Amino acid sequence: ETGVTQTPRHLVMGMTNKKSLKCEQHLGHNAMYWYKQSAKKPLELMFVYNFKEQTENNSVPSRFSPECPNSSHLFLHLHTLQPEDSALYLCASSPLANRNTEAFFGQGTRLTVV
Amino acid sequence: AQSVTQLDSQVPVFEEAPVELRCNYSSSVSVYLFWYVQYPNQGLQLLLKYLSGSTLVKGINGFEAEFNKSQTSFHLRKPSVHISDTAEYFCAVSRDDKIIFGKGTRLHILP
Repeated sequence: ETGVTQTPRHLVMGMTNKKSLKCEQHLGHNAMYWYKQSAKKPLELMFVYNFKEQTENNSVPSRFSPECPNSSHLFLHLHTLQPEDSALYLCASSPLANRNTEAFFGQGTRLTVV
Repeated sequence: AQSVTQLDSQVPVFEEAPVELRCNYSSSVSVYLFWYVQYPNQGLQLLLKYLSGSTLVKGINGFEAEFNKSQTSFHLRKPSVHISDTAEYFCAVSRDDKIIFGKGTRLHILP
């Protein structure tokens, strides 16, 4: 039990599909993050939410659309993705989005775009 | 800007031998440093962190790391590895409201 739960664990979608990734944290944290982990590339920070407000968008294409309805839930809506978007998508949370705290990660969603 | 360099993409080591995974950071201000581990098909788990105080930090699973400000390093060590330590290890530095990760080092334990 990591305290951060991601669903689904695996997802295969076509380039014309629309799907959503879900993340839920049970730690009482106020900051949540989406990271993308591709083969042979460093972890890429995509979005940061602090108290439900987006504070970082790391030049992510608009085909990725995050949503944070409350401090416990984070979604990543996907549409018209490309094969190069296939990756492990990791959600994380921390007490606050500041420098002193580590992030707690979910187990990730393995996304394959066909 | 802060960045993290992990000098080795893969490190093979025999079981029960010691290991050191290297990490260097660049920063002009005070830093907060982390080591994470990722087991196959899992998310990242915190091994240890340096925020302030003693430069030798002890973490879980027998790992430790030493913060060296003059060499801007934060190398991870374990005196005797086990097959269960097979994983990818990430060094990270915090910056503003986010954590920046290195490219990772894959630890291979040889029988």
